[in-house]
Amino acid sequence: NAGVTQTPKFQVLKTGQSMTLQCAQDMNHEYMSWYRQDPGMGLRLIHYSVGAGITDQGEVPNGYNVSRSTTEDFPLRLLSAAPSQTSVYFCASRLGPLNYGYTFGSGTRLTVV
Amino acid sequence: AQSVTQLDSHVSVSEGTPVLLRCNYSSSYSPSLFWYVQHPNKGLQLLLKYTSAATLVKGINGFEAEFKKSETSFHLTKPSAHMSDAAEYFCVVSPPINTGNQFYFGTGTSLTVIP
Repeated sequence: NAGVTQTPKFQVLKTGQSMTLQCAQDMNHEYMSWYRQDPGMGLRLIHYSVGAGITDQGEVPNGYNVSRSTTEDFPLRLLSAAPSQTSVYFCASRLGPLNYGYTFGSGTRLTVV
Repeated sequence: AQSVTQLDSHVSVSEGTPVLLRCNYSSSYSPSLFWYVQHPNKGLQLLLKYTSAATLVKGINGFEAEFKKSETSFHLTKPSAHMSDAAEYFCVVSPPINTGNQFYFGTGTSLTVIP
């Protein structure tokens, strides 16, 4: 099925560990984003990309890196995990800048202990 | 500045009764507006969107929303609630041409459907 695929679905990390959350879409969407969702705070934008090779910071970028080497993939790297990064992470993609809403992945639930 | 206010953080309705989830927006341009639904432990799914065509927008699962410029509102309605409608609902505003990531999410409305 076409869509946005996130892996893993669940992850537990120890403080200081690093990891990469994977995101892939097969809809040839130019725009991709990473959000985190925390109780009472809604969705907050971490990083986004408007095409291969182009990324930019969102509202809460500290502690995270991204790259966009292909149109399909947009991995999110946690450099040194902290308990404050415990959250649910969503990857989303959209076709382009004109009136398009996002297609969201099913999320990665991350716990940092 | 752009912003979205979802006027109710929680709404409870009985099965078979109408649903009304309220959303007001503030925008310096003629916006695009979206409603998303999130079921427990799932991602967000697009319900419907307004993009300056018809002001009454029909979405999936019997939901619809009406864009009222004079009231800066985009309320979501459904004539008859079903148990499967229990979820979190998000109203989102963006410019019609969004070259960055100018999506502004409301804080969500949790819908409970009572059998």
